[in-house]
Amino acid sequence: DGGITQSPKYLFRKEGQNVTLSCEQNLNHDAMYWYRQDPGQGLRLIYYSQIVNDFQKGDIAEGYSVSREMKESFPLTVTSAQKNPTAFYLCASSIGGRSPLHFGNGTRLTVT
Amino acid sequence: GEDVEQSLFLSVREGDSSVINCTYTDSSSTYLYWYKQEPGAGLQLLTYIFSNMDMKQDQRLTVLLNKKDKHLSLRIADTQTGDSAIYFCAAGSSNTGKLIFGQGTTLQVKP
Repeated sequence: DGGITQSPKYLFRKEGQNVTLSCEQNLNHDAMYWYRQDPGQGLRLIYYSQIVNDFQKGDIAEGYSVSREMKESFPLTVTSAQKNPTAFYLCASSIGGRSPLHFGNGTRLTVT
Repeated sequence: GEDVEQSLFLSVREGDSSVINCTYTDSSSTYLYWYKQEPGAGLQLLTYIFSNMDMKQDQRLTVLLNKKDKHLSLRIADTQTGDSAIYFCAAGSSNTGKLIFGQGTTLQVKP
């Protein structure tokens, strides 16, 4: 079955540590996205990539980094510079253009 | 900047119709989506409408678009307890290529 896989589902880290969230898709989609969701708020775009080896900052990129070395994979690193990293992180992909986004099941990150 | 607004909460009785409303500011929004999110899960695409359409019906779901008022609504007929979830409206601009999400409306269905 085609889809988007995010792992792990739950992640716990100590403050000051970098952590990498995995996102893999087998839908052959060109575009991939990372969103952050906080309670009572909509989704906020962190980074997106429309093609391999290229990515752009979204609205809240500070404290995050990404790479897009393969079409199928778009890992997100939450660095120690991110002031409020505890959140639910959602990865999505699309064919591009007007096509809808397909979402993974998310990773809940807790930093203490 | 671009913005999408939704009311935060709606409560209905099982069997009633639910209407979730959304307004957007970007007049260049050419495609609008409704997503459903169940607890602890990702977003599931429910339906979408392009700006050259006024209405779209898909089984129990009806989407109405008023381009003049930049208002979008999602009607769920015969609402069931399984429809309890958060519903997100999202507007996509053909100018920027970005998708802007509303805050989400929590739908509570009482038996």
